[in-house]
Amino acid sequence: SQQGEEDPQALSIQEGENATMNCSYKTSINNLQWYRQNSGRGLVHLILIRSNEREKHSGRLRVTLDTSKKSSSLLITASRAADTASYFCATDDSGANSKLTFGKGITLSVRP
Amino acid sequence: GAGVSQSPSNKVTEKGKDVELRCDPISGHTALYWYRQSLGQGLEFLIYFQGNSAPDKSGLPSDRFSAERTGGSVSTLTIQRTQQEDSAVYLCASSRTGRNQPQHFGDGTRLSIL
Repeated sequence: SQQGEEDPQALSIQEGENATMNCSYKTSINNLQWYRQNSGRGLVHLILIRSNEREKHSGRLRVTLDTSKKSSSLLITASRAADTASYFCATDDSGANSKLTFGKGITLSVRP
Repeated sequence: GAGVSQSPSNKVTEKGKDVELRCDPISGHTALYWYRQSLGQGLEFLIYFQGNSAPDKSGLPSDRFSAERTGGSVSTLTIQRTQQEDSAVYLCASSRTGRNQPQHFGDGTRLSIL
């Protein structure tokens, strides 16, 4: 069954605005990862947050994790047209044979 | 090369033909994964390799699909007797060791079955 589910499915904002994307999951996790996919390309790893972490930053990216609510958010500040892409969360379940399960993704459009 | 390389980048073939897709992972990465992505959809896990063995083949959709990995490096995904529903982008990824580590993706093979 799908572990991570992103919300919203699509987001359109103006350049310079902040973009917030959410991911919810169902079972306990070891870590949660966010990836970006530009059209026609493979996924690119953005950031990993472990289950014992609450917030992590990388450049203009800020990721939060709330294990009590089983949710994470990805915030992109001061968005640029080049941020236009699909964004996926991936959860690593904490079972003995843990693996990454990807959500269906969020399509972000940043208008110049 | 520094990244994951997949070939061919595009493949168009007739229904019923066999196709072979190739993946060159990042040198030294022991874990390798194949995924399938249909238009506008998320990733569908197909198979996971650790070294040359495949401890998880649970995502292969039918016995027409098979994959192998040799020398702990290059992997090939073979689809026999292709069907139109096999049309998708096939993505390969590798990670340094474990399944829960960040994965590095190739740009995929876009497969079209006529």
